[in-house]
Amino acid sequence: RKEVEQDPGPFNVPEGATVAFNCTYSNSASQSFFWYRQDCRKEPKLLMSVYSSGNEDGRFTAQLNRASQYISLLIRDSKLSDSATYLCVVNYGQNFVFGPGTRLSVLP
Amino acid sequence: DAGITQSPRYKITETGRQVTLMCHQTWSHSYMFWYRQDLGHGLRLIYYSAAADITDKGEVPDGYVVSRSKTENFPLTLESATRSQTSVYFCASSIGGGGQETQYFGPGTRLLVL
Repeated sequence: RKEVEQDPGPFNVPEGATVAFNCTYSNSASQSFFWYRQDCRKEPKLLMSVYSSGNEDGRFTAQLNRASQYISLLIRDSKLSDSATYLCVVNYGQNFVFGPGTRLSVLP
Repeated sequence: DAGITQSPRYKITETGRQVTLMCHQTWSHSYMFWYRQDLGHGLRLIYYSAAADITDKGEVPDGYVVSRSKTENFPLTLESATRSQTSVYFCASSIGGGGQETQYFGPGTRLLVL
């Protein structure tokens, strides 16, 4: 079993739609959690950290369930510019483990 | 503010040749990382460095060598390139090594080994 697994995707949604991505991790010692965004042929960039109480940044909401070892990302009112691959990242100690990513295409 | 840069951006080489990928950051971040990204695997950590002269193996270190004589540079060397090392290589840096530290990535080097 991979350490970090994500919805395989791709997700094709119309503008304005709400879309949710799921991520599970296998290492219960994991300490920190992140969502990164990667545009085609570009480097990954931090979208948001994920806190135990859940957190929101504009149209983006991240949630963490430590008991189920599950992380989610919700995007509301999707924009064309949200089209990218979303990477779930789990950290323990000095080790950052990236999921394979879920590709999102927002269609006009 | 140049941030984090990688060179070359594209490289074609032949099996058996030695290749060095360069990474330079201007933020004086303590930690630096090398990842490779392949379809179906996501990013996998090759090596990381907590400070100058301190390096450690990641998930997939075989066939690679790193050094860090200066804080700002973290070169990655493929001692004898193989076709399986064809990949996109990303260098990253962060202020610290864990917790809520953000990793900042370079633009990547696309390497093709023939």
